[in-house]
Amino acid sequence: AQSVTQLGSHVSVSEGALVLLRCNYSSSVPPYLFWYVQYPNQGLQLLLKYTSAATLVKGINGFEAEFKKSETSFHLTKPSAHMSDAAEYFCAVSQNSGYSTLTFGKGTMLLVSP
Amino acid sequence: DTAVSQTPKYLVTQMGNDKSIKCEQNLGHDTMYWYKQDSKKFLKIMFSYNNKELIINETVPNRFSPKSPDKAHLNLHINSLELGDSAVYFCASSQELAGGRELFFGEGSRLTVL
Repeated sequence: AQSVTQLGSHVSVSEGALVLLRCNYSSSVPPYLFWYVQYPNQGLQLLLKYTSAATLVKGINGFEAEFKKSETSFHLTKPSAHMSDAAEYFCAVSQNSGYSTLTFGKGTMLLVSP
Repeated sequence: DTAVSQTPKYLVTQMGNDKSIKCEQNLGHDTMYWYKQDSKKFLKIMFSYNNKELIINETVPNRFSPKSPDKAHLNLHINSLELGDSAVYFCASSQELAGGRELFFGEGSRLTVL
């Protein structure tokens, strides 16, 4: 069984501020972890993924995430928010065994103010 | 060229009607999926097909019938539509049904049942 919990359905930051979106996972086997972004009226786009290589993963648009096994976390960060970062962000988990599909968290809406 | 394309983008229909959504991917992927996104943005897997074979059916009502005529196409037919079927339906594809693979999403088909 696998699941993902995203803390905070909405996060508000000012332009130029640090972005931190939290994700904790539960998995009975070593997980693969993902962050996807959804802009309004669009499909989801991969930001970054962890697949058991380096624990600090860099993605597109300046985002990065760190896998911490001891904390079962995979938080997403960006040093300086841009207005264009405003979107819905989804953390997702799949398993490193057999057939495995993505299980998504409930999403966090990032709001960026000028 | 759109990688994963869905049609139609919008459907508005009455309860009890039947409707279909079509999906095509030109990425050469083996695996295709249908996800449902509800009004709270929660994404849930419905079906997964690998090389035209149904692999995953996540306890979706029998009124939903996916069909994969070839591995580049996965269509979704819904009979006897109910109010609760109103949602955005996303088609996605991946290279194979293995845990670490990136999913590529279509732009979604917004179904409104009146």
